[in-house]
Amino acid sequence: QKEVEQDPGPLSVPEGAIVSLNCTYSNSAFQYFMWYRQYSRKGPELLMYTYSSGNKEDGRFTAQVDKSSKYISLFIRDSQPSDSATYLCAMTFNQAGTALIFGKGTTLSVSS
Amino acid sequence: GAVVSQHPSWVICKSGTSVKIECRSLDFQATTMFWYRQFPKQSLMLMATSNEGSKATYEQGVEKDKFLINHASLTLSTLTVTSAHPEDSSFYICSAYYLEQFFGPGTRLTVL
Repeated sequence: QKEVEQDPGPLSVPEGAIVSLNCTYSNSAFQYFMWYRQYSRKGPELLMYTYSSGNKEDGRFTAQVDKSSKYISLFIRDSQPSDSATYLCAMTFNQAGTALIFGKGTTLSVSS
Repeated sequence: GAVVSQHPSWVICKSGTSVKIECRSLDFQATTMFWYRQFPKQSLMLMATSNEGSKATYEQGVEKDKFLINHASLTLSTLTVTSAHPEDSSFYICSAYYLEQFFGPGTRLTVL
């Protein structure tokens, strides 16, 4: 069993839809959780960063962490074609200065 | 925001040759830099952790004599792929840590 599982998709939605992206993990020692967005042939960019169970909102993006279920989610409201990218969940044990364990990434396509 | 650059952005080389990839933090000093490798439709996999002035820590299964990492300053780390083979063809991404990890744009290596 891999440490971090993420459905690679692809996921196709119409513009304006609500998108739900998810990851599960097996190691309960993970404490910090991140979502990155990666455009084709580019490096990942940080979208959301959380360290506790619950929800965190930033504009159209909401990150949700459920440590009891070892499950994290990213919701995108009012999706736009510019949101089309690969979304990677990542997590780490101690702090952001330690290496990240990534999910495989979910490829999202938002059509206008 | 903090910027991390990588050079070159892509490189094609012949089997058996060595290739050097540079990772620079342009507007901040990074105590730690990380090197990741990403195969098509796969997750980012950590190769090594590099701290300025000390030897890099390699992940299990990564040959330290093949992937030479030098972290000469707080703004520069280099990855040298020695005696490259076609199976080393991949997307190599570095990240630099300063309060959070900032990723470079990646280097696509193709070994013929």
